[in-house]
Amino acid sequence: KQEVTQIPAALSVPEGENLVLNCSFTDSAIYNLQWFRQDPGKGLTSLLLIQSSQREQTSGRLNASLDKSSGRSTLYIAASQPGDSATYLCAADSNYQLIWGAGTKLIIKP
Amino acid sequence: EAQVTQNPRYLITVTGKKLTVTCSQNMNHEYMSWYRQDPGLGLRQIYYSMNVEVTDKGDVPEGYKVSRKEKRNFPLILESPSPNQTSLYFCASSPIDRVAVHEQYFGPGTRLTVT
Repeated sequence: KQEVTQIPAALSVPEGENLVLNCSFTDSAIYNLQWFRQDPGKGLTSLLLIQSSQREQTSGRLNASLDKSSGRSTLYIAASQPGDSATYLCAADSNYQLIWGAGTKLIIKP
Repeated sequence: EAQVTQNPRYLITVTGKKLTVTCSQNMNHEYMSWYRQDPGLGLRQIYYSMNVEVTDKGDVPEGYKVSRKEKRNFPLILESPSPNQTSLYFCASSPIDRVAVHEQYFGPGTRLTVT
């Protein structure tokens, strides 16, 4: 059964730093790996989707990588800003089901 | 505007009083799903539907019912709510085409408290 883990559970960094969020999954048979952002009291916003055949996806200051052989995905945020503060969730798409990590709560200090 | 809507956004109810949370999407998506989110556990899938009249259990279906009579609507029914169903609920939809992989679109969430 697929399990998804995100480490760390929380992260606080000064504004301007580059940072990496980690996501690991136990079953490499996935259709895709998705990263979402969740703001307090709001829904989920899709950030990046990496198909199983891809190695990475980029959107602005965000870059997500996927290594199926090692069961890992990373979300790289460049030049972090206070507006990046949110909880970041990864989800592995396995057979029409999204299996979710518990998230990393990110705080960017001005 | 393409969106997934949920109602109500907030609900406080008592044990045993039947309730329904509605979910509607305007993107003509075949696939719809319900999740619950609890602290430290991430999101867990309750039920999903591949199309009209087709529903399947997710990881935590106990205590919930769903129906898919129309393509746009996928209500979540709690026949006899209990306090352990206090949670944040999300509805999501996406196209079914697996050749062109699509992201899921999420509703704003429904915060349910059962006392």
